Amino acid sequence: AQKVTQAQTEISVVEKEDVTLDCVYETRDTTYYLFWYKQPPSGELVFLIRRNSFDEQNEISGRYSWNFQKSTSSFNFTITASQVVDSAVYFCALTTILTGGGNKLTFGTGTQLKVEL
Amino acid sequence: EAGVTQFPSHSVIEKGQTVTLRCDPISGHDNLYWYRRVMGKEIKFLLHFVKESKQDESGMPNNRFLAERTGGTYSTLKVQPAELEDSGVYFCASKSSGTGVLFGEAFFGQGTRLTVV
Repeated sequence: AQKVTQAQTEISVVEKEDVTLDCVYETRDTTYYLFWYKQPPSGELVFLIRRNSFDEQNEISGRYSWNFQKSTSSFNFTITASQVVDSAVYFCALTTILTGGGNKLTFGTGTQLKVEL
Repeated sequence: EAGVTQFPSHSVIEKGQTVTLRCDPISGHDNLYWYRRVMGKEIKFLLHFVKESKQDESGMPNNRFLAERTGGTYSTLKVQPAELEDSGVYFCASKSSGTGVLFGEAFFGQGTRLTVV
């Protein structure tokens, strides 16, 4: 069975601090994709990144960076110099061939990030 | 291009009543998904349509839930009769069926917050 664990329920930081959101996943499949979605107060889930199981290179996009480590089954997300607009719930998700050929996302419980002035 | 649109954004109904949620996917997206998040838990898969056909409905909680996608365009999710435990946020997502998008990004709507009292 697939499982995604986001152990941090809520994180509060002061603006300009760096913050890392943890994501640990479980799957028996060797081919899988990992995702991060952001849910701002408006409610919609906004896609941030997709990573496949064969590419362990870290990725940076502006203030966002992702660290994928298969050895620890983790796909952590770091926001550098956080801003108030980063306040949202962040979800990590997994999909594999076993779970409907990539047509079923398994989500974690989400991490509520609050960035204060 | 319009995103995934869900109606209503909020619904409060009494136990035993019927509620119908609607989702308009991105135009041209054959894949349509329903997910649900209950009480701060993980977002869980409900079902998947390819055009008008149900591809996977393994996540539907019970027979009080009925999803339809007539004509392969918009979809409805009816809960009848609603129970207290049905309260949560119902998300709809859509995805293209073009080449190379097996593990592609699914675009989510803003969700419908359902409260059963």
